[in-house]
Amino acid sequence: GDSVTQMEGPVTLSEEAFLTINCTYTATGYPSLFWYVQYPGEGLQLLLKATKADDKGSNKGFEATYRKETTSFHLEKGSVQVSDSAVYFCALAHSGNTPLVFGKGTRLSVIA
Amino acid sequence: SAVISQKPSRDICQRGTSLTIQCQVDSQVTMMFWYRQQPGQSLTLIATANQGSEATYESGFVIDKFPISRPNLTFSTLTVSNMSPEDSSIYLCSGRGGGADTQYFGPGTRLTVL
Repeated sequence: GDSVTQMEGPVTLSEEAFLTINCTYTATGYPSLFWYVQYPGEGLQLLLKATKADDKGSNKGFEATYRKETTSFHLEKGSVQVSDSAVYFCALAHSGNTPLVFGKGTRLSVIA
Repeated sequence: SAVISQKPSRDICQRGTSLTIQCQVDSQVTMMFWYRQQPGQSLTLIATANQGSEATYESGFVIDKFPISRPNLTFSTLTVSNMSPEDSSIYLCSGRGGGADTQYFGPGTRLTVL
């Protein structure tokens, strides 16, 4: 079945550092790929998505590119802020009736 | 996008009791799902809530423990029955529009069972 693998956390960075959170997937066909973010004490928010190969999703300075050849969707941000501290989930979904498949999540802590 | 609300937002319950969580979506969605997130863990799908029929449960989850209703396209409930401390988790409702692949999530219900 489909699966998503994320780099293990926690990740601790200083403010303004560069962020990469690795995500790879195994899936049949051509799923859509997502990054969700969960801030402390809150539910999940969609951060960005990409629906086909070579698409780049971007939002709030974060970006990720759908790489079919490496089955990856790594999340990057050039300069993190303390307010980016959260848990980040990579996920995939096929169109239709199938629900999201999530990675285990990566906790990011940004210190001033 | 869909805006999803849940209530209660949190509760502390005694073992052996039951709690019903309500989920309301502000627009019609085709699919509704219920997830559980245990402390420090990722999301685990409990079931797909089907309008007007029995929910479809994932392996490890049964209707007697987690009865789900979905009387219309915008509302669903999840009951956690005969609770034990192991049921202490965040329960999240999620919705997805017809043909769309993006799922939206409610803020979650934080359940603590003593």
